[in-house]
Amino acid sequence: AQKVTQAQTEISVVEKEDVTLDCVYETRDTTYYLFWYKQPPSGELVFLIRRNSFDEQNEISGRYSWNFQKSTSSFNFTITASQVVDSAVYFCALSEAINHAGNMLTFGGGTRLMVKP
Amino acid sequence: AAGVIQSPRHLIKEKRETATLKCYPIPRHDTVYWYQQGPGQDPQFLISFYEKMQSDKGSIPDRFSAQQFSDYHSELNMSSLELGDSALYFCASGGLIGETQYFGPGTRLLVL
Repeated sequence: AQKVTQAQTEISVVEKEDVTLDCVYETRDTTYYLFWYKQPPSGELVFLIRRNSFDEQNEISGRYSWNFQKSTSSFNFTITASQVVDSAVYFCALSEAINHAGNMLTFGGGTRLMVKP
Repeated sequence: AAGVIQSPRHLIKEKRETATLKCYPIPRHDTVYWYQQGPGQDPQFLISFYEKMQSDKGSIPDRFSAQQFSDYHSELNMSSLELGDSALYFCASGGLIGETQYFGPGTRLLVL
């Protein structure tokens, strides 16, 4: 069965600090997909990134970067020079390639990030 | 760009009442997913539909049912509501396997 663990339940930083959110996953599939979503206080779930299991290339998007390491089953998310607007709950999620019709997401418990001015 | 639409955004019901939540996926997305998020919890998968057929089932109570219609919109029907059903209900839409699921704004259900 698939499982996602976000060991950090809550992180507090001061604005402009860098912060890394950890994500560790378990799956028996060789083909799978990893995601990060942001849930601001308003409640919606905002898609940030998708990565498939065959693409270990790290990605950078502005102040955001992601480090995918299959050897440690980790997909960590770093925010550089954090801002107050980054305050939110961040979810890591996994879907497996089981059937042709799309697959459910299994979410980690989420990490609440608080960025203080 | 068009997003996933959910209605209503907020709903207050009494115990044992019935509720219907609606979801309109992004155009050309053929898969709809329903998730339930309790207070302080991560979203939990309930059920999904692909081309109007149920494709996957998660921890959905027997009191709940759902379907996807010919125009691809979906409805989640919840009967005999319990206090524990109070949660944020998300609908997401996507394409084929592994593709990104885009979430609607959610319906916040409060059962009194």
